[in-house]
Amino acid sequence: GNSVTQMEGPVTLSEEAFLTINCTYTATGYPSLFWYVQYPGEGLQLLLKATKADDKGSNKGFEATYRKETTSFHLEKGSVQVSDSAVYFCALRLGAQKLVFGQGTRLTINP
Amino acid sequence: EPEVTQTPSHQVTQMGQEVILRCVPISNHLYFYWYRQILGQKVEFLVSFYNNEISEKSEIFDDQFSVERPDGSNFTLKIRSTKLEDSAMYFCASRTPGLAGGPSYEQYFGPGTRLTVT
Repeated sequence: GNSVTQMEGPVTLSEEAFLTINCTYTATGYPSLFWYVQYPGEGLQLLLKATKADDKGSNKGFEATYRKETTSFHLEKGSVQVSDSAVYFCALRLGAQKLVFGQGTRLTINP
Repeated sequence: EPEVTQTPSHQVTQMGQEVILRCVPISNHLYFYWYRQILGQKVEFLVSFYNNEISEKSEIFDDQFSVERPDGSNFTLKIRSTKLEDSAMYFCASRTPGLAGGPSYEQYFGPGTRLTVT
């Protein structure tokens, strides 16, 4: 079946630290890959996406590269801010079908 | 910017009671979804809805669940007789029809309704 595995949280970093949140997937076809973010009290927002192998998605200083050979889509940011504190979800989608999510990683950035 | 809204933000109900969770999707969207997240677990797909019928549902979506688009703006999830294990955050999402892989395939999520069954 199709599934997504994320690194377990919570993750706590200091401001300006480098961030990596690992995500690996299992899929029967060629999925599109996503990172969603949920800020406190808000809904899930699309952060970035990649639709084919070697694509790099980027937004707000975050990046993730679709690695077919390692079935991974790790989220990175070079210098995090307090405002990046949120829960991050990795997800895949095959075609127009439903999203399959990872379990989410809670990130806290301390000033 | 248009957004998906959900009401209520928090619903507390007793086991065995019926609940209706409400969603107002973005106005020109035609595909609608419900997902849920039990505390500390993954966000799970429940059901998708298009053209006034269910297009896909998960194993979770049993006979106790139903969805409806009663008018041109609302999309509801009904749980007929709630169980303790239905306690979760329920997310509604919507998208436009669009070309495969295009940006209009993106699902836009609401803020969620936290359902607590006691």
